[in-house]
Amino acid sequence: AQSVTQPDIHITVSEGASLELRCNYSYGATPYLFWYVQSPGQGLQLLLKYFSGDTLVQGIKGFEAEFKRSQSSFNLRKPSVHWSDAAEYFCAVGYNDMRFGAGTRLTVKP
Amino acid sequence: GAVVSQHPSRVICKSGTSVKIECRSLDFQATTMFWYRQFPKQSLMLMATSNEGSKATYEQGVEKDKFLINHASLTLSTLTVTSAHPEDSSFYICSARPGVGGELFFGEGSRLTVL
Repeated sequence: AQSVTQPDIHITVSEGASLELRCNYSYGATPYLFWYVQSPGQGLQLLLKYFSGDTLVQGIKGFEAEFKRSQSSFNLRKPSVHWSDAAEYFCAVGYNDMRFGAGTRLTVKP
Repeated sequence: GAVVSQHPSRVICKSGTSVKIECRSLDFQATTMFWYRQFPKQSLMLMATSNEGSKATYEQGVEKDKFLINHASLTLSTLTVTSAHPEDSSFYICSARPGVGGELFFGEGSRLTVL
């Protein structure tokens, strides 16, 4: 069965510090992989996606993610976090439909 | 990118009434659309897959008779919450894509509040 695990419910980082949000998945084959961000009361914004090819994917707002097949992981990273990055982050996987992880809430300290 | 629009963005209704939410793909045709539900501070849960011209496929635990889905055209799917109750209050989000596989494009979401 398909599943997506985001082990960290809540992460707090200082502004300017680096960030890594974890995502692991279980799927029959290599699925399409996505990271979305959601601000309170808002819809979803796509940060980046992986379909195939280069396993290091660059996205918007300075985010990147690395697909590691051996670990079934697709972790999201940003070298220097800005206060405006505070939001809920969702990892999603799928081919036809899309399943979401539980989400990681990011708090940014001044 | 492709645009998916939902209407209304917010709706408040009385308990026992029915509410219809529309999802439109504005610049592409979508044979399949997806409906998600999101409770406060929780993730998006797939409710059903809406198929143009045929019955929707519901996820386990989703009541077909309560959440009626109609996909009458290649650009429009509707979700009707029938006999709504306060526990149906939630954020409903639809999504669609031009073909099979690939990126899903999401609507802005519809916040339903049942009094």
